[in-house]
Amino acid sequence: NAGVTQTPKFQVLKTGQSMTLQCAQDMNHEYMSWYRQDPGMGLRLIHYSVGAGITDQGEVPNGYNVSRSTTEDFPLRLLSAAPSQTSVYFCASSTTEGHPEKLFFGSGTQLSVL
Amino acid sequence: AQSVTQPDIHITVSEGASLELRCNYSYGATPYLFWYVQSPGQGLQLLLKYFSGDTLVQGIKGFEAEFKRSQSSFNLRKPSVHWSDAAEYFCAVGFNTGTASKLTFGTGTRLQVTL
Repeated sequence: NAGVTQTPKFQVLKTGQSMTLQCAQDMNHEYMSWYRQDPGMGLRLIHYSVGAGITDQGEVPNGYNVSRSTTEDFPLRLLSAAPSQTSVYFCASSTTEGHPEKLFFGSGTQLSVL
Repeated sequence: AQSVTQPDIHITVSEGASLELRCNYSYGATPYLFWYVQSPGQGLQLLLKYFSGDTLVQGIKGFEAEFKRSQSSFNLRKPSVHWSDAAEYFCAVGFNTGTASKLTFGTGTRLQVTL
């Protein structure tokens, strides 16, 4: 079982560059989300999606774009990277039925913006 | 808006000793509460969750947590810590909007286990 797969695991960018963090899940989960993890800040929700074609902003959406063209994939785009976006990024998915079930997390992408 | 406070940034315990990690939440309705564990370089893994019913919940790896509404707390406990428990632990409060599972995480407690 692959679960939630994130690529790449590590990435270094220069300020102003753009890139896409990939996230794919094979559990047919409707709900997918992106978090960033910073020291002393815990995990903060960037964007989430409740199904193909539906996305919404989380707590810290500025500087990030998302789209959800399929149930399986939920890429996160940085249009113009800034040093403040240096962080570890986690993708997570879950079913949306009933109570908020547990989130399944990917293993993370460590991003450094120079 | 909901919030979660984990007052202890770093805790060190000896192997075999008992453990309690504190978590306090702020939420206007009945919360859904979670504890996650993160090992170095890994994503988060669910330890246990509370939705309703019995206020003492059992999780994986011998962990348990008790929901105390009067104290707005959901502390994580383990009677005897193993060296492999060294990790970072996150408390989270969630709610169901009807269409989405939204969680707010605490800032985490890093557990160090000495032999």
